[in-house]
Amino acid sequence: GAVVSQHPSRVICKSGTSVKIECRSLDFQATTMFWYRQFPKQSLMLMATSNEGSKATYEQGVEKDKFLINHASLTLSTLTVTSAHPEDSSFYICSARTREDTQYFGPGTRLTVL
Amino acid sequence: AQKITQTQPGMFVQEKEAVTLDCTYDTSDPSYGLFWYKQPSSGEMIFLIYQGSYDQQNATEGRYSLNFQKARKSANLVISASQLGDSAMYFCAMREPNTGRRALTFGSGTRLQVQP
Repeated sequence: GAVVSQHPSRVICKSGTSVKIECRSLDFQATTMFWYRQFPKQSLMLMATSNEGSKATYEQGVEKDKFLINHASLTLSTLTVTSAHPEDSSFYICSARTREDTQYFGPGTRLTVL
Repeated sequence: AQKITQTQPGMFVQEKEAVTLDCTYDTSDPSYGLFWYKQPSSGEMIFLIYQGSYDQQNATEGRYSLNFQKARKSANLVISASQLGDSAMYFCAMREPNTGRRALTFGSGTRLQVQP
């Protein structure tokens, strides 16, 4: 099956710093990638839809200036958490959509903000 | 209204027995897709099984089968012959392509614990 990678898998940062998370589709081109956030013992909540070459579409309640998304190529989308605070600590998972409309998930990134 | 409802926060099952994880959904779109994912403690989302709204037969994948009851809007996952490695969170999810929303909407999940 198709492979989606995320980097880093785990990151700890100080409050106020910015953190960039990469999501790559390794063996297929993904015109659309999705970013989800999962708090402990909760479900995955969609944050935004990332479309190659255009602006991301954010879900209601998600601050676009805080969670910057860039989808510069058909195999890479990045999520930057700007001025991170402890309440941003979460598990961030991306998924990439193939041309056949199948979605593959990355392994996730665990962010801890001190 | 919740799009996807999983009413069982936690389930226990004895090894080698079958278990059913419940999922009901709400949509007015005639075309939709239903998914089940397994999430072990490592966090990765493992795709298990898919059912399209127009599929005539219930989906099966190895030990996983989906009990699709369209009129009742339910898509329960049946795991046969449970194994210790099946202990994980299980999420039901739906996609409604005609709404223009390509992302999945997830239920709240069910934590399954398989006991020896």
